[in-house]
Formats: sequence, C-alpha cells, structure tokens
Amino acid sequence: EIVLTQSPGTLSLSPGERATLSCRASQTVSSNFLAWYQQKPGQAPRLLIYGASSRATGIPDRFSGSVSGTDFTLTINRLEPEDFAVYFCQQYGRSTLYTFGQGTKLGIK
Amino acid sequence: QVQLQESGPGLVKPSETLSLTCAVSGGSISRGNWWSWVRQSPGKGLEWIGEIHQSGSTNYNPSLKSRVTILVDKSKNQFSLNLRSVTAADTAVYYCATGHSYAWFDWGQGSLVTVSS
Repeated sequence: EIVLTQSPGTLSLSPGERATLSCRASQTVSSNFLAWYQQKPGQAPRLLIYGASSRATGIPDRFSGSVSGTDFTLTINRLEPEDFAVYFCQQYGRSTLYTFGQGTKLGIK
Repeated sequence: QVQLQESGPGLVKPSETLSLTCAVSGGSISRGNWWSWVRQSPGKGLEWIGEIHQSGSTNYNPSLKSRVTILVDKSKNQFSLNLRSVTAADTAVYYCATGHSYAWFDWGQGSLVTVSS
C-alpha cells in the first residue's frame, strides 16, 4: 500500500506570505495520479490540483503543484484569508487504488 | 460539472447495514465517469470506499471489500452504497464524488452517519 505522508501537520502563516506544503509517497507514484484538495470546516473537499500540476477549473493561479521524485509540493503564493484551511493530497495506485494523506492544517499566524 | 446529493439515515445500529444514495443532477450518470464513495472520520481521515462505472463495473477498497456493495440505477440517475455489519468505527461523514484523471472534481455536501444503538 502506498502511504502518503504530509508535512508539516500544521502551518501558521500570515496573509500575503507563501505556503509550501509537502506530500511524500512511500513508493513511486505517477505524476498523473496525484491530486491536492482544500477543505474548510463543514464542507466537502475541493479539488485544487490534479496530475500533480494541473489546476482545476476556477482555481486561482497562486496555487501550483510540483513534483520531485516521490515528493509532491503544493505552493500557495500570496496567501489570501480564504486560503486558510486543511489541505490533503491523494494518489491513485494499482493495488490499493485511492489513498489520502493525513492533511496539513494551514492556520493564520 | 454535475451536482451530487447524498441521502439516507443518519443513525444506524451496530451490526446493521448502512445504506446511502447519491442523486446525480446536471448530467447523466451514463456519461462514462466512475462514481465514488469517500468517507471521513476524525480517527481515520479521508478514506476511499469504492467506485462504480455506469456499466456496473466496480472497484472497492481492499480493507472494506468484504462489506461493501455499490450499485448504479441509471433509470433514476443515482448510485448507492451498502455497508454491512457496521460498527462504531464506521461512524463518519460519507461523500459521493466523481471526476476524471484519477481525481474527484465534483462532490456531494456529505452525509453524517452515526453508528450507535
């Protein structure tokens, strides 16, 4: 089973700063199969990035995704007040199919 | 983009079957997507349960496979989840979702199901 480990668990930043969120896979994950979601309290997850670096429709360009080996990164430039939320990564693999990371909570400093 | 709406009992007794339905609007369930169920509990985070194609083909999470059945009803444009022999560990918010490219673009608002006697 591919395990996704997100870090940090909690990140405290101020509006206008840059957030860098990490998602490390325990095995090789195809870039095509990695997605990032944002979730706010009481809401369903919202897709931000799919295929490691493609933004979903309507997602501002301050959100970007990248990959280096088994390390995936979600970068949020110029944080807006509405960006403070929990972020999850998710992968697809042949054996266990879909799994999620445990999440990173982005809070206001 | 489609709209998804979960419905079903909010309380299920231990050892019984949890049953939820996801109504699809704004598009046909027969358009070729895979239609999924995902749940979220405080103890286990987000967990994919399984998916169904309009053809009836299914894939399930190996950890739940022995207890899960997902069905599609094209005449009603909906799909459903049955989870048997539930315990308190199955208490969660259950979401239906769909998408492509191995990601979920559209989600329901979620349905809280509590397992308790």
